[in-house]
Amino acid sequence: DTGVTQSPTHLIKTRGQQVTLRCSPISGHKSVSWYQQVLGQGPQFIFQYYEKEERGRGNFPDRFSARQFPNYSSELNVNALLLGDSALYLCASSLWGEANQPQHFGDGTRLSIL
Amino acid sequence: ILNVEQSPQSLHVQEGDSTNFTCSFPSSNFYALHWYRWETAKSPEALFVMTLNGDEKKKGRISATLNTKEGYSYLYIKGSQPEDSATYLCASFGQAGTALIFGKGTTLSVSS
Repeated sequence: DTGVTQSPTHLIKTRGQQVTLRCSPISGHKSVSWYQQVLGQGPQFIFQYYEKEERGRGNFPDRFSARQFPNYSSELNVNALLLGDSALYLCASSLWGEANQPQHFGDGTRLSIL
Repeated sequence: ILNVEQSPQSLHVQEGDSTNFTCSFPSSNFYALHWYRWETAKSPEALFVMTLNGDEKKKGRISATLNTKEGYSYLYIKGSQPEDSATYLCASFGQAGTALIFGKGTTLSVSS
């Protein structure tokens, strides 16, 4: 079984640029969540999508947006990048996004802003 | 805002020692409590998902308990091995069960 895959693995951008991160969930999983993890902190919730609809949004500015496609893959977009956006971005999938279902994480995309 | 707290922040034990970590979370509007293990250069791996007060889960030498009334969970590792070295994250669901809120984690280092 293929796990959650994320691309790219690493990315370097400059301030003000825009970035798109991609995630493919485990086959059969219909929910995808995005998290931002900075050193010394736990992953911080950004979005949850289920069946192409946004089900939850964390405390992030409108520069952050996401979408889920009919094949359940997802993209996270960040506009007008700031130095503080440098982080590891994790994608996780679960069957239906229910609280009692474990989340399966990808290896993440390491984003560095210069 | 849902705050999930973990202690200790880090822990160093000898091979064979048993250890435990604490996770505290707001007891109101509780949905589920998750534990994940995150090894260096790997992705977080789910250990347990617990939903009921008094739940006890076990996987090999690792077990966890849940008290939803007082808002805490314990993770126990019996006879620690070097391969148990990792960061252990707990997380509770907030925002009407849509957002998994993580603590900062407990980093365990086991020396042989």
